[in-house]
Amino acid sequence: DVVMTQSPLSLPVTLGQPASISCRSTQGLVFSDGNTYLNWFHQRPGQSPRRLIYKVSNRDSGVPDRFSGSGSGTYFTLKISRVEAEDVGVYYCEQGSHWPATFGQGTRLEIK
Amino acid sequence: QVQLQESGPGLVKPWETLSLTCTVSGGSISSDYWSWIRQPPGKRLEWIGYIHHSGSTNYHPSLKSRVTMSIDISKNQFSLKLGSVTAADTAMYYCARIPAPGTVDYWGQGILVTVSS
Repeated sequence: DVVMTQSPLSLPVTLGQPASISCRSTQGLVFSDGNTYLNWFHQRPGQSPRRLIYKVSNRDSGVPDRFSGSGSGTYFTLKISRVEAEDVGVYYCEQGSHWPATFGQGTRLEIK
Repeated sequence: QVQLQESGPGLVKPWETLSLTCTVSGGSISSDYWSWIRQPPGKRLEWIGYIHHSGSTNYHPSLKSRVTMSIDISKNQFSLKLGSVTAADTAMYYCARIPAPGTVDYWGQGILVTVSS
């Protein structure tokens, strides 16, 4: 299976400051159709995950533009330009290019 | 907007079969693929498998011998059966929609299933 490794695992951030989460995969994530199926999810306490980003850099409808995704090959990044209180929770990367699809272990963002 | 809701027993005895149903509203199950994903306490999310409205399935290799998924288009529901469960199968179970290859978008709220005698 492709292993997804996120860092950091814990991310204390001051409100209004930027934040960045990295995600590495043990294999390249370019699928046979040329797409890279690397997604990012946000899970607030007691809620199910919500997709933020799909195919590396495409924001879902309703996701604030302070969230951005980038990367290629085996290294990917989620950036929040200015953290707001509603951004607390756990962030997961996920690869869907190889079966079984796999998730990272999660990064917990908290407000300092 | 598509909504998904898991239902089923929250407690299953060891070596019995876990059975869950996902009811889809706000959209037809006769399109897209539909998935089951779980999260054991303190562990990362794990795919169980997915099913197409045609009935074709794909399961996680490590669970393949114990998993069966089915779909009921008339009820707009799809189901999961996981046999011979042990404590390691205790988890929050989610159903989710696969709108396109390589990703899920809408998730159910999840159902906690505990395996215990």
